[in-house]
Amino acid sequence: EAGVAQSPRYKIIEKRQSVAFWCNPISGHATLYWYQQILGQGPKLLIQFQNNGVVDDSQLPKDRFSAERLKGVDSTLKIQPAKLEDSAVYLCASSLTGSTDTQYFGPGTRLTVL
Amino acid sequence: QKEVEQNSGPLSVPEGAIASLNCTYSDRGSQSFFWYRQYSGKSPELIMFIYSNGDKEDGRFTAQLNKASQYVSLLIRDSQPSDSATYLCAVKGDSNYQLIWGAGTKLIIKP
Repeated sequence: EAGVAQSPRYKIIEKRQSVAFWCNPISGHATLYWYQQILGQGPKLLIQFQNNGVVDDSQLPKDRFSAERLKGVDSTLKIQPAKLEDSAVYLCASSLTGSTDTQYFGPGTRLTVL
Repeated sequence: QKEVEQNSGPLSVPEGAIASLNCTYSDRGSQSFFWYRQYSGKSPELIMFIYSNGDKEDGRFTAQLNKASQYVSLLIRDSQPSDSATYLCAVKGDSNYQLIWGAGTKLIIKP
C-alpha cells in the first residue's frame, strides 16, 4: 500500500512570494489533514477535509492560506503572500474516516521563507 | 483552550533501561490518546493508541492511561539507541475529530 505522497520536499522563497504544496493521500482514505510544524513544536492542524468538504479550518490564517481538495482525493495548500513566520514543515496526513482512526503522515514539505 | 503538556527533555536513558514518557491533558472529555514517534527530519509515525483506563502493551511499549488524573504515559522497556527520537502525545476529544498535540519529549538512549 502506497503511503501519503507530498511535493515538493523542500522549498525556499522570498517573503511576499506565493507557494503551493500538493498532497495525495492513501487510496480510500476519506479524511485529509494539513498540519504546520514549527521546529521544536508539535503539529498544528491547519485544515481538515472529510472527502471534499471542510470539517475544521479554525486555525487556518485565511487571509493568506487557502486549501482545496477537489474530487475528494488530492489536495493543495497555498500561501500567498508568505511571511517569515511561515517557515516550517507542512505535513499532510490521511485517515480512513477521521473519528478514531490512525493518521498516516506524508514526508512533509520543509518551507524556508527568506 | 484545550492543552496537552509534555516535558520537552531531553530525557537521557542508558541502553537497556526503561524510558518513561509522560503527558497530561486539560480536556476531561478526551476519549482517545495516541503516542507518535518522530525521528529528526522525519514525519510522525504512530506507536500506540489507548482508549481505556489502565495499561496496554505492545512489544517493548506500554501505554498507561489514568483519566481521573488526566495523565497518559509511555514506557519503553529494554531501550535501544534506535528509540532515540521525539515522542509526541496527541489527544482527541469526543466533540470533534481534531487531535490536540503536545510539543513532544526528546528521548536520547545512550549506548
